[in-house]
Amino acid sequence: QQQVKQSPQSLIVQKGGISIINCAYENTAFDYFPWYQQFPGKGPALLIAIRPDVSEKKEGRFTISFNKSAKQFSLHIMDSQPGDSATYFCAARLGNQFYFGTGTSLTVIP
Amino acid sequence: DVKVTQSSRYLVKRTGEKVFLECVQDMDHENMFWYRQDPGLGLRLIYFSYDVKMKEKGDIPEGYSVSREKKERFSLILESASTNQTSMYLCASSFGDRANQPQHFGDGTRLSIL
Repeated sequence: QQQVKQSPQSLIVQKGGISIINCAYENTAFDYFPWYQQFPGKGPALLIAIRPDVSEKKEGRFTISFNKSAKQFSLHIMDSQPGDSATYFCAARLGNQFYFGTGTSLTVIP
Repeated sequence: DVKVTQSSRYLVKRTGEKVFLECVQDMDHENMFWYRQDPGLGLRLIYFSYDVKMKEKGDIPEGYSVSREKKERFSLILESASTNQTSMYLCASSFGDRANQPQHFGDGTRLSIL
């Protein structure tokens, strides 16, 4: 059973637009929610992360919105650029383990 | 910066061979992990280790084993490689007892079994 559900599977956005990727979870014991960015031929790299006691975290053009009551969190990429084209994974931590979404392939069209 | 190094970027092996994938991290992390990544399936956990000589099965351990003789090194072993083990293999590491700490990944080994 998928512990973290991610959507959409793929996303195409115009340059300058907003990219939004959503994740949902069931286990309320998760205590840390990172997002990873992966370029072809590279491993996933930490992009931004949030704790469940915070509703929003912003780093540059990247924002996580966290809705604890709905058990959902999302990544917003403002002013999307072609260089943002990559696969994005959400994750949730429980103890020593991390549970990953299935990934979203983002393409930003110039 | 944390560095997780996987010994091979690309590897081609034959069916039935015993295959070793090596991973080394330089941040004194307690936890180390092996995942395989396949299109549409995301990251699936094969094994993880939270201490030297300790190991725990993940979601898909069948056909794999692991070894952790030193804290910084975690090896994945394919006992008798099969074509369905052709995949991208990712190693990761993390602290064991610190809150709000992510996993750090290597760049992966793309393994082809012929």
